[in-house]
Amino acid sequence: GQQLNQSPQSMFIQEGEDVSMNCTSSSIFNTWLWYKQDPGEGPVLLIALYKAGELTSNGRLTAQFGITRKDSFLNISASIPSDVGIYFCAGPAGGTSYGKLTFGQGTILTVHP
Amino acid sequence: DGGITQSPKYLFRKEGQNVTLSCEQNLNHDAMYWYRQDPGQGLRLIYYSQIVNDFQKGDIAEGYSVSREKKESFPLTVTSAQKNPTAFYLCASGGGGNTIYFGEGSWLTVV
Repeated sequence: GQQLNQSPQSMFIQEGEDVSMNCTSSSIFNTWLWYKQDPGEGPVLLIALYKAGELTSNGRLTAQFGITRKDSFLNISASIPSDVGIYFCAGPAGGTSYGKLTFGQGTILTVHP
Repeated sequence: DGGITQSPKYLFRKEGQNVTLSCEQNLNHDAMYWYRQDPGQGLRLIYYSQIVNDFQKGDIAEGYSVSREKKESFPLTVTSAQKNPTAFYLCASGGGGNTIYFGEGSWLTVV
């Protein structure tokens, strides 16, 4: 089946630093989604991307849909302690079964005050 | 409040028992999903339903069963046939397209 490779697996940064993470697929996606998960909670949707080359912001978060349609990037600017959590990329598993998503392994973000 | 409600938050199961996790949504979404999350791993799809009275197996359906008798409800039963059921279970729903929204999750532990 389709696989999403997300990197890095973990990041340890100082408060105020910028963060970049990315996700690559073995096949073309028509949608890219980025979620954040706090410990013991369900993932929360951060940004949804629907078009190759699309660049979308949500506050300090910016995500891009790669031109090749096989990758996506998430940037967080001026990180703060509440950015701590696990960030997942996700995309449709193929075919026309909407919402049947494949998830990356996640990037664990730790922010030191 | 609108959203997806999962219950219970924590559940303990003895070996050989079936347990059922509840998922209710009041978002009027047609589609509902169950995912499993193991520590340090991403989410894997167990079952999904795109319409009432219909559901499909996901990638790891063995040892699980579901029903979709009402639009707002999609309960998941973890049967005794599931050999490694200890995990965090996440229910989600979607109104169309590929964007789905998650509940707060249920922890299942085998004792």
